[in-house]
Amino acid sequence: QKEVEQNSGPLSVPEGAIASLNCTYSDRGSQSFFWYRQYSGKSPELIMFIYSNGDKEDGRFTAQLNKASQYVSLLIRDSQPSDSATYLCAVRRGNEKLTFGTGTRLTIIP
Amino acid sequence: EPEVTQTPSHQVTQMGQEVILRCVPISNHLYFYWYRQILGQKVEFLVSFYNNEISEKSEIFDDQFSVERPDGSNFTLKIRSTKLEDSAMYFCALNRGGSSYNEQFFGPGTRLTVL
Repeated sequence: QKEVEQNSGPLSVPEGAIASLNCTYSDRGSQSFFWYRQYSGKSPELIMFIYSNGDKEDGRFTAQLNKASQYVSLLIRDSQPSDSATYLCAVRRGNEKLTFGTGTRLTIIP
Repeated sequence: EPEVTQTPSHQVTQMGQEVILRCVPISNHLYFYWYRQILGQKVEFLVSFYNNEISEKSEIFDDQFSVERPDGSNFTLKIRSTKLEDSAMYFCALNRGGSSYNEQFFGPGTRLTVL
């Protein structure tokens, strides 16, 4: 069974602080790694994807990948109340299906 | 601008009825995926469709489910005889680009309620 594990939270972070979200995966054949943001009742919205070891930055978001440790993380700098959502980690091989974790609920406290 | 739209946004049906959920891509795509998310649970893969054929399906995608691309553009998911446990959000997704490392974008979803 190929699994993606996330801490379900809730994770509470003060506004302006850094939010750190973590994800581990079991399938060593995974090639690309995704972070989606999902607001209640809405569809997953892609915010970052990464496929090489190391860091990838896009605005306030940084994705970090360590394939040896089978670990992916997402950092959100200068957290805003609008960042409050559930963050979904997903992995895939090639163009195959995404395998999702259960998500981490993040609350930014004003 | 969204890559893909889905219709209807909400479908209410009686148990045992057939439903057809539609996915309309904005431009031509080769890879399509259907996922579902039961309320409070994780997003689960149902089926992938490549070049007008099913390329992979999950255990959930049993004989009650089928997918088609009836007119070369729209992409449909049919549930022949709905059950209460089919109540969920159903998402269509597609890949951007043609390489192996593709971003996958989700449509807005159809909320299916089976009574």
